[in-house]
Amino acid sequence: DIQMTQSPSSLSASVGDRVTITCRASQSISNYLNWYQQKPGKAPKLLIYAASSLQSGVPSRFSGSGSGTDFTLTISSLQPEDFATYYCQQSYSTPHTFGQGTKLEIK
Amino acid sequence: EVQLVQSGAEVKKPGESLKISCKGSGYSFTSYWIGWVRQMPGKGLEWMGIIYPGDSDTRYSPSFQGQVTISADKSISTAYLQWNSLKASDTAMYYCARRPLVGATTGGWFDPWGQGTLVTVSS
Repeated sequence: DIQMTQSPSSLSASVGDRVTITCRASQSISNYLNWYQQKPGKAPKLLIYAASSLQSGVPSRFSGSGSGTDFTLTISSLQPEDFATYYCQQSYSTPHTFGQGTKLEIK
Repeated sequence: EVQLVQSGAEVKKPGESLKISCKGSGYSFTSYWIGWVRQMPGKGLEWMGIIYPGDSDTRYSPSFQGQVTISADKSISTAYLQWNSLKASDTAMYYCARRPLVGATTGGWFDPWGQGTLVTVSS
């Protein structure tokens, strides 16, 4: 299985901050990388697919980049509703494993 | 509106069987894969497997192969996740989600997701 490692595991930030979350794959996955947001008690929501494509309806302050083994999710200016847990997922080969998650908390 | 609606919460005893469901609406059920994801209490997301309802092509994670059965009934636009003998360690939230019609092993993403089914296994 391909291992996905996110960093940091948790992060404290303030409204208006620029935040970057990193995801590293244990082998090259081209651009087969997705990002999800999960709020407490809710199902995950797709934010970014194929490393950098913004899902319809997702605010443009979210962006994704990377290829190969290293990827980033950037939130350009944190809003109160962005405090949540974020997961990356590779879809290069089954099982399409997820990262362990990054919990974004209010400072 | 594209929706996946899952069956309600279940409380079961160890050794019992269970089948939970995920009904799709608002789209052509046989034009997308359906996937299942486990989330144990306080933990992250685990990819369990996917099924293509058009021909029931199914792929499992090695971690879940032999432990669960994924199936679908395209006539009623419903996918299922089934256990023959539950264990306490199966206690978790289970989500279904839609995956685009790409190759079985490469590509795609999960969107949208069902609301989740909480399965509690306790004696």
